[in-house]
Amino acid sequence: KNEVEQSPQNLTAQEGEFITINCSYSVGISALHWLQQHPGGGIVSLFMLSSGKKKHGRLIATINIQEKHSSLHITASHPRDSAVYICALDYGGATNKLIFGTGTLLAVQP
Amino acid sequence: NAGVTQTPKFQVLKTGQSMTLQCAQDMNHNSMYWYRQDPGMGLRLIYYSASEGTTDKGEVPNGYNVSRLNKREFSLRLESAAPSQTSVYFCASSELARGPYNEQFFGPGTRLTVL
Repeated sequence: KNEVEQSPQNLTAQEGEFITINCSYSVGISALHWLQQHPGGGIVSLFMLSSGKKKHGRLIATINIQEKHSSLHITASHPRDSAVYICALDYGGATNKLIFGTGTLLAVQP
Repeated sequence: NAGVTQTPKFQVLKTGQSMTLQCAQDMNHNSMYWYRQDPGMGLRLIYYSASEGTTDKGEVPNGYNVSRLNKREFSLRLESAAPSQTSVYFCASSELARGPYNEQFFGPGTRLTVL
């Protein structure tokens, strides 16, 4: 079962480039989360969205519920953005259980 | 606030040994979760506790037990460790009371190797 697919699996970019990471899913969801995992292993939540678009600094997340697709964009990328970016499906309800994608490993070179 | 803390950070076990991974959160969250992360796979839910006094199985519960000791603490026990349980384990917590879906806060992880 692959309810959620991320692409690309690996991405190398030059500093300053505009980056897009994609997440496609096959089931109905209440929301979608984007998370960041740094090389040290720590995981932090970047966005939760159920419709439209959210922006935080240089990060932008969009979701199209009808097409079951979400994108994470990084503008003016920087080496400190190098991390694994993970999308997760949220079915809502009483338990807040998430289904995670396998992640996109991003390396931004100076 | 420390957020979500986990102990130990690293552990090496021999097959058949037992151990308990500890997790605590200081955010007064109702819900807590244990995940494992393996290469090439997404985080997978082992067990969760929607509220104090309740625990439920997730996607991969076999070989594990949990205890929700109180609102703050949620432990994961391996009764007889197997090499297939070599993984990185993450604890997380969230507060559902604020809405139908909420951010999960993760601990730093425990890297477990079973020989």
